[in-house]
Amino acid sequence: QVQLQQSGPGLVKPSQTLSLTCAISGDSVSNPTGAWSWIRQSPSRGLEWLGRTYYRSKWYFEYAVSVRSRITINPDTSNNQFSLQLNSVTPEDTAVYYCARGASSLDLWGQGTTVTVSS
Amino acid sequence: QAGLTQPPSVSKGLRQTATLTCTGNNNNIGNGGAAWLQQHQGHPPKLLSYRNNNRPSGISERFSASRSGNTGSLIITGLQPEDEADYYCSAWDITLNAWVFGGGTKLTVL
Repeated sequence: QVQLQQSGPGLVKPSQTLSLTCAISGDSVSNPTGAWSWIRQSPSRGLEWLGRTYYRSKWYFEYAVSVRSRITINPDTSNNQFSLQLNSVTPEDTAVYYCARGASSLDLWGQGTTVTVSS
Repeated sequence: QAGLTQPPSVSKGLRQTATLTCTGNNNNIGNGGAAWLQQHQGHPPKLLSYRNNNRPSGISERFSASRSGNTGSLIITGLQPEDEADYYCSAWDITLNAWVFGGGTKLTVL
């Protein structure tokens, strides 16, 4: 049974970096048919896809235009996980953050992490 | 900010049929179809259907989907109390190179 387990702080100060990790069990971050996304959800913005990484003989990275200048998604093959870094956060980045699996559909989601940006 | 358009709410009676709609364009739903997600309060979204009418293992046959042009539909038959939830559509947009979502429809089972 495939599971995604998220970890990371729930409170980040403005201008600092939001960092979350998604640990994968039952699948591989290097799966050549897979893809690994970060998505966030807030009352004001709804569900918003942030970006993804996937492996097809080499690593690919795709990011949403809205966060492209501030985001990094990194695969970690040693620990079979992937991470999200979002720089220079503001209160508008307050949301529930999810990791998710899927290339042609988002078929499995992590449990979600509520992240609040506040001093 | 939703890329796909969904009605905010739908109400139907117990054991009735609900049809939820989602409108996109030629670059998303019109290209690769829609996927449907169910979300209960406090839980992550759960995939119900993808590429218009493929159901993941374990999803009830009461959930089915279809597409007509740039509009996708989720049909839920024999409504049960546990079907009361928020439903989101999603699709890959080939010009944005991104997943886009609808704003969600809150389904109330009366």
